[in-house]
Amino acid sequence: GIQVEQSPPDLILQEGANSTLRCNFSDSVNNLQWFHQNPWGQLINLFYIPSGTKQNGRLSATTVATERYSLLYISSSQTTDSGVYFCAVSNNQGGKLIFGQGTELSVKP
Amino acid sequence: DAGVTQSPTHLIKTRGQQVTLRCSPISGHKSVSWYQQVLGQGPQFIFQYYEKEERGRGNFPDRFSARQFPNYSSELNVNALLLGDSALYLCASSRGDSNEQFFGPGTRLTVL
Repeated sequence: GIQVEQSPPDLILQEGANSTLRCNFSDSVNNLQWFHQNPWGQLINLFYIPSGTKQNGRLSATTVATERYSLLYISSSQTTDSGVYFCAVSNNQGGKLIFGQGTELSVKP
Repeated sequence: DAGVTQSPTHLIKTRGQQVTLRCSPISGHKSVSWYQQVLGQGPQFIFQYYEKEERGRGNFPDRFSARQFPNYSSELNVNALLLGDSALYLCASSRGDSNEQFFGPGTRLTVL
C-alpha cells in the first residue's frame, strides 16, 4: 500500500515565524488532504489538494503529484497554530485515507 | 450546516464487553468512514460505507463491524473489547467514496 512520510516530526517556533511542513507519498494519489488536529482530537480540514496550489489566509499548500510530495506553508505563526498537522492521501481504493505520522508544531509566545 | 456528529463523546468499558459508536454525516453526504487513532499515531482506516454498502475494510479483526442506515448514519460495533482497543474513534463523511472527507469530533473509548 501507499506509504506517507511527514517531516519534520516536531517543530518549535517563535510566534511570528514561518514554517514549511512536508509530506512525501510513495504512489500516485487522487486525494490529498491536510488536517490540523486540535487539542480535543478533532481533525480540522485545511486543504483538499491532490494537485496544484491553494491559499487560505496565512496558510498555503502545494502538491506536486508527479514528484509525489506536498508542502504546507504557515506564515506569521500564532500560538493557536500549535497542534499536530496530518497529511492524508487516497488512491481510490474504497476511499481509504492513509495518514502520515504527523508533525507536532509548538508555537511559543 | 451541521458538521459530522458522533456519540457518545466518551465511553469507558471493561475487557470483554461490547460497544456501539454512532455517527451522523453532513447533510447530503452518502459516504461514511471510520478510523481508529491511538495515542501518538495517525488515524488508521477501519471501514468505509457508501450508499449502505461496504466499500473498504482496513486491517482490523472481525470483532469490528459496521453498518450504514438508509438515512446514511452509521454505527461501528466492537465486540470482546481488549485493552488495545482504547483509542479515539473518528468518523468522516464525504459526498462520494473518493471525495474530500470531513471528520467528526470523535469518541474516546477507554477499555479497563
